[in-house]
Amino acid sequence: GAVVSQHPSRVICKSGTSVKIECRSLDFQATTMFWYRQFPKQSLMLMATSNEGSKATYEQGVEKDKFLINHASLTLSTLTVTSAHPEDSSFYICSARVSRRVAGVADEQYFGPGTRLTVT
Amino acid sequence: GNSVTQMEGPVTLSEEAFLTINCTYTATGYPSLFWYVQYPGEGLQLLLKATKADDKGSNKGFEATYRKETTSFHLEKGSVQVSDSAVYFCALSSNKLTFGTGTQLKVEL
Repeated sequence: GAVVSQHPSRVICKSGTSVKIECRSLDFQATTMFWYRQFPKQSLMLMATSNEGSKATYEQGVEKDKFLINHASLTLSTLTVTSAHPEDSSFYICSARVSRRVAGVADEQYFGPGTRLTVT
Repeated sequence: GNSVTQMEGPVTLSEEAFLTINCTYTATGYPSLFWYVQYPGEGLQLLLKATKADDKGSNKGFEATYRKETTSFHLEKGSVQVSDSAVYFCALSSNKLTFGTGTQLKVEL
């Protein structure tokens, strides 16, 4: 149980275009989803926290107009990188936190496999 | 604020060697502690966790004990395999996860 999927796993886009990344919790409900960015050989940087049905909370330094997050249901959150540029190339990882209404450890997060974005 | 410090890598070991990856933390309150593993090109997988002082998390031969007195959560394995080659992240959780910088482990034959 507790599987999180991401789609696509890899995407290459041209500079100036927008890219949408989906994050789904497959077998549980996630009231909270997180989006991280990982640079080569570095740790994960939290970008934003997404709560179902409300606006995402962005970390300091993350442009909310560039990284649009939507969390429309308990099993789906999307990250849209708008007007992408080469410096946005990175590995984007989402995670989902188990709803307190589901059995399990409330503060445990389950991670998706990541999406490799390359902007040319 | 919360922070996690882990030993820098890469750590290179021969198969069947003993592994220790050090992790110390700074936090207010009583966070849960985690070790995550990331294989090349993949996302993070939870390896083990401990939710209170003196708890020992274990999985796949890996162990870590939550030491409140030394604010540590060192990862150990008695005999590593080539398949253990990956990046290991120590993390703590209060309201959100705070990660260490990761330690790359390379196990050679």
